[in-house]
Amino acid sequence: DTEVTQTPKHLVMGMTNKKSLKCEQHMGHRAMYWYKQKAKKPPELMFVYSYEKLSINESVPSRFSPECPNSSLLNLHLHALQPEDSALYLCASSQVDIGNTEAFFGQGTRLTVV
Amino acid sequence: AQSVTQLDSQVPVFEEAPVELRCNYSSSVSVYLFWYVQYPNQGLQLLLKYLSGSTLVESINGFEAEFNKSQTSFHLRKPSVHISDTAEYFCAVSDLRYGGATNKLIFGTGTLLAVQP
Repeated sequence: DTEVTQTPKHLVMGMTNKKSLKCEQHMGHRAMYWYKQKAKKPPELMFVYSYEKLSINESVPSRFSPECPNSSLLNLHLHALQPEDSALYLCASSQVDIGNTEAFFGQGTRLTVV
Repeated sequence: AQSVTQLDSQVPVFEEAPVELRCNYSSSVSVYLFWYVQYPNQGLQLLLKYLSGSTLVESINGFEAEFNKSQTSFHLRKPSVHISDTAEYFCAVSDLRYGGATNKLIFGTGTLLAVQP
């Protein structure tokens, strides 16, 4: 199984809503990532978890709250988002291993904030 | 800081023609290099990677890329493209200042390969 599964595939939320994005992998990877991709732009790193601990936060606003409840799951909690937060949110995972740094990406969640 | 430059935002090409997508990087430390492909409304798929060893790396679907340290380049090539190769292609470097243990990827701005019949 080389898949990273993200749910939901599409999400429309109001600016006062609270929602969560979910990501799951069963490849035994101990590093998991959230990226944000705006239309016609490259993905930008938001958060990195290594061994279920937050290791990188790229100065992301607090309205985005990541959570890694176990080694297979990664969540992104959303609250009080702005329309400019509309984007494709990509989850990825990789081994924590200097010799093997290939990142596997999910299909993404297309988020629209109205 | 590392950076990746993909000078061509779009490359139109006819089917069965050869193609080269250019990628240059800037880094003061060792890096790993990657090409990812993104089909419309999908996530990213790894096409090929350079970690060490042979500077010419190949993918299973006919793409190849050559790492050139002196020119800091990692151009992607395919001798004969298909309609199905139409997609966005991203070059990326892995920031090894984080010890290589976590794959902080820095992406170029992408190149849309548009294959025409």
